[in-house]
Amino acid sequence: KAGVTQTPRYLIKTRGQQVTLSCSPISGHRSVSWYQQTPGQGLQFLFEYFSETQRNKGNFPGRFSGRQFSNSRSEMNVSTLELGDSALYLCASSLETGRRTEAFFGQGTRLTVV
Amino acid sequence: GNSVTQMEGPVTLSEEAFLTINCTYTATGYPSLFWYVQYPGEGLQLLLKATKADDKGSNKGFEATYRKETTSFHLEKGSVQVSDSAVYFCALSDQAGTALIFGKGTTLSVSS
Repeated sequence: KAGVTQTPRYLIKTRGQQVTLSCSPISGHRSVSWYQQTPGQGLQFLFEYFSETQRNKGNFPGRFSGRQFSNSRSEMNVSTLELGDSALYLCASSLETGRRTEAFFGQGTRLTVV
Repeated sequence: GNSVTQMEGPVTLSEEAFLTINCTYTATGYPSLFWYVQYPGEGLQLLLKATKADDKGSNKGFEATYRKETTSFHLEKGSVQVSDSAVYFCALSDQAGTALIFGKGTTLSVSS
C-alpha cells in the first residue's frame, strides 16, 4: 500500500512569505503528526492531529499552524517566514493513537528560506 | 520533562565489526522506545521498538533491550554492512502517544 506522501518535496521561499505543506497519510490512518528537522536542533515535534482535532502542540511560535481534513490529509502552514525556518519538515501517520502505536514517516519537504 | 540522550557520532566502522550506539532516556511513566534510521535524502524508517521493560526489539540483525533500571535502550548489531551506513535516532513516545521525542541522532559510516 502507498506510504505517507508529502508535497512538495522541495520549496524555496523568501523571508516574510508564507508557505503551506501537505501530507497524505497511509490509507486508514487517522493520526498525523509533524516534525521539524534541522542540523542544530535535530528532530522537534510540531503538532499532532487525530480525527481533525489538534491534540498536542510542540514549543513553536504561533506562526506555525496546521489542520487536518475529514479524509485525514493534513496541511501545515508557516507564516512570515524567517531564515531559521529552513529545515526538513517530516510528516508521520499512525493507525490510531497511543504510546505503542508505530509512526510511519514520509520523505519530507525540504524548505529553504532565502 | 521527557528527553533522550544518545552518543554523539560519527561512528566509523569496518564491515563485519560490532556496533553499539548508546541511548538513555528520561521520562515519566512507562514510555515506549524506538530506534529509527534515516538514509540520505529519505524520511525516517522504524527499525525496532519495545513497549515495556525487558522487551527486546529486533529487526535486520539489530537489537535493543528496554532497560528500566538503567533507563537505557542501546542499539547493537553483531556484524555491520556498508548498507547500514545511515543516521540512527533513538526516540520515546510520550505517555499519551501523541508525540515522539528524539535524540540528536548518530551517524554511522561503514567501510568495506
